[in-house]
Formats: sequence, structure tokens, C-alpha cells
Amino acid sequence: AQTVTQSQPEMSVQEAETVTLSCTYDTSESDYYLFWYKQPPSRQMILVIRQEAYKQQNATENRFSVNFQKAAKSFSLKISDSQLGDAAMYFCAYRSDISNFGNEKLTFGTGTRLTIIP
Amino acid sequence: SQTIHQWPATLVQPVGSPLSLECTVEGTSNPNLYWYRQAAGRGLQLLFYSVGIGQISSEVPQNLSASRPQDRQFILSSKKLLLSDSGFYLCAWSHRAPPHEQYFGPGTRLTVT
Repeated sequence: AQTVTQSQPEMSVQEAETVTLSCTYDTSESDYYLFWYKQPPSRQMILVIRQEAYKQQNATENRFSVNFQKAAKSFSLKISDSQLGDAAMYFCAYRSDISNFGNEKLTFGTGTRLTIIP
Repeated sequence: SQTIHQWPATLVQPVGSPLSLECTVEGTSNPNLYWYRQAAGRGLQLLFYSVGIGQISSEVPQNLSASRPQDRQFILSSKKLLLSDSGFYLCAWSHRAPPHEQYFGPGTRLTVT
């Protein structure tokens, strides 16, 4: 079974600075998808960014980018120019590309709470 | 565009009472549907998921059940609530085709007293 590990329960960053959140995963599959979700105090889960394992290029969405290291099974999230609205819980998630019944779900990490210091 | 609704937003129920949480998706067909529970300050626990009407997979054996009476409707139920059922319940949907990202509803905060 796949596992997702987020080793940083909490992180903090000064406003306008850059912060990197770590995520590692364990899988024997070669094709899969990785995601970062953000959960602000409202508790609504918001998709931040997606990475397909077959793509070598790192995904980018505005101030959010990932460092995807497939061989190392690492998927970190970099937030540039941090803003107060970035304060949230961030979850890393894995999804197999095999669409058999039983694989139709995401495996989530335990989350990293990010605090933005004004 | 697709939207996902959950109700109620907040619920306070006594121990032993029944529960029914509803989730409805609009703007898509044949979605995969998911129920999660989240304790305060914790991660997400997948409770049930469904790939079609009548197809429900249970991830956690407990006093909760799920049903999918219509293609875009997913219901979470209990006959008798326990104190441990308190938490934040999230419904999510995804396309069946890749890349499979899930989209979440606003959640229901359940307090069992």
C-alpha cells in the first residue's frame, strides 16, 4: 500500500519570504498523480497544485511550485512571496493511475500547518 | 462548472440519535464520490467512497453507513450516534478519468453531545 509522509507538523515563514513544505511517498507504481491541498481556517479543502508522475517538468501555479524528484519519491511545495492568506494546513496526497476498484482514492499525508508571520 | 453542496453546515445531536448528512454534486455526471472525517487539527480519514450507484466501499468499520440513491447524491448515515462520531465531515467528488483530483465540499461540523 502507498504511504505519504509529511515530516513537518508545523512551519512558519515571514511574509513575502519563501517557504518549502516537504512530502515523501512510498509506492511501487510508476504511474501516479501527486497533489497539494490547502485547508485554511474555514476548513474548505482547496486544490493547490497537481503533478503527473510521467511529466518531468515541475508543476507551477502562480506563486506555488513543486520540486518533484521521482527517483527519491519526494514532492515538496514551494510558496514564494508568502502572503497572510497562505496561512493554512497543507496536505500532500497520492493517487494511483490504476483505475481498479480499490484504487479510486487519494492517500493523504498528515499535514503541515503553515503560519505566516507579518 | 461543477459545484458540490453539503448540508447541514453545522449539526449538534445527542448521543443515540440518528444522523443523515447529504452531499450533492452539480455540473458533472458519473462522478466518484467520497466521505471523509477530520478530527480537530488532524488529517483526513476516508470513510466511504463510491464509483457508481449501489457501489459503496467502506474504509472504516463503525456505526456509520453510506448510500448513493442517485448518481450525484451521496448520503452519510447513522442509526445511533456515538460521542466519537463528533468531527468535521467532508464530501468530495472526482472525475473517473485522470488526473483524478478530488474537489471538496464546504463540510459539516458535527458535535455529538
